[in-house]
Amino acid sequence: SQQGEEDPQALSIQEGENATMNCSYKTSINNLQWYRQNSGRGLVHLILIRSNEREKHSGRLRVTLDTSKKSSSLLITASRAADTASYFCALIQGAQKLVFGQGTRLTINP
Amino acid sequence: DVKVTQSSRYLVKRTGEKVFLECVQDMDHENMFWYRQDPGLGLRLIYFSYDVKMKEKGDIPEGYSVSREKKERFSLILESASTNQTSMYLCASIGTVPYEQYFGPGTRLTVT
Repeated sequence: SQQGEEDPQALSIQEGENATMNCSYKTSINNLQWYRQNSGRGLVHLILIRSNEREKHSGRLRVTLDTSKKSSSLLITASRAADTASYFCALIQGAQKLVFGQGTRLTINP
Repeated sequence: DVKVTQSSRYLVKRTGEKVFLECVQDMDHENMFWYRQDPGLGLRLIYFSYDVKMKEKGDIPEGYSVSREKKERFSLILESASTNQTSMYLCASIGTVPYEQYFGPGTRLTVT
């Protein structure tokens, strides 16, 4: 089944640095979404990028999409301790069913 | 600004008990989902529903059932809880295009 695969599985950086996470997939998509999950909490939608878009910004978040390489990246600039969380990419499978990857665990060190 | 709520944040049940997990959304969404999340396995879809009284199996439906009697409420039922159903359970609803999905806070279920 269609599923995004995040890379790396875990990332640890110093506060203030930029964090980049990647998502690869195998079939064609209409859009790709990124979510965040803080420890022990539900998922929060961050950003959606459509297949005809190459880049999208939201605050300190920048998402790119390369449909020719079937990959997307999430960049968090000027990271903060509060950015410590797991980040997931998600793809639509079939009719309105989202499929998630296993996520990237991001740790921001003070 | 609450959109999706789940009846319990933490739940402890004994093996063999019948367990109900409730989910309510206030966005008039037609599509609702139940996932479980386990370390190393990510999110896995258990069941989903496109409409009232309609349900469809996800990737791991065994040991679970669901009920959707009203549009805003989607219940997950463990008929006879087992220890391998200890997990975090997440409910979600999805709107129309572009299909943004809203999640509840999750229920951490422990079966002893």
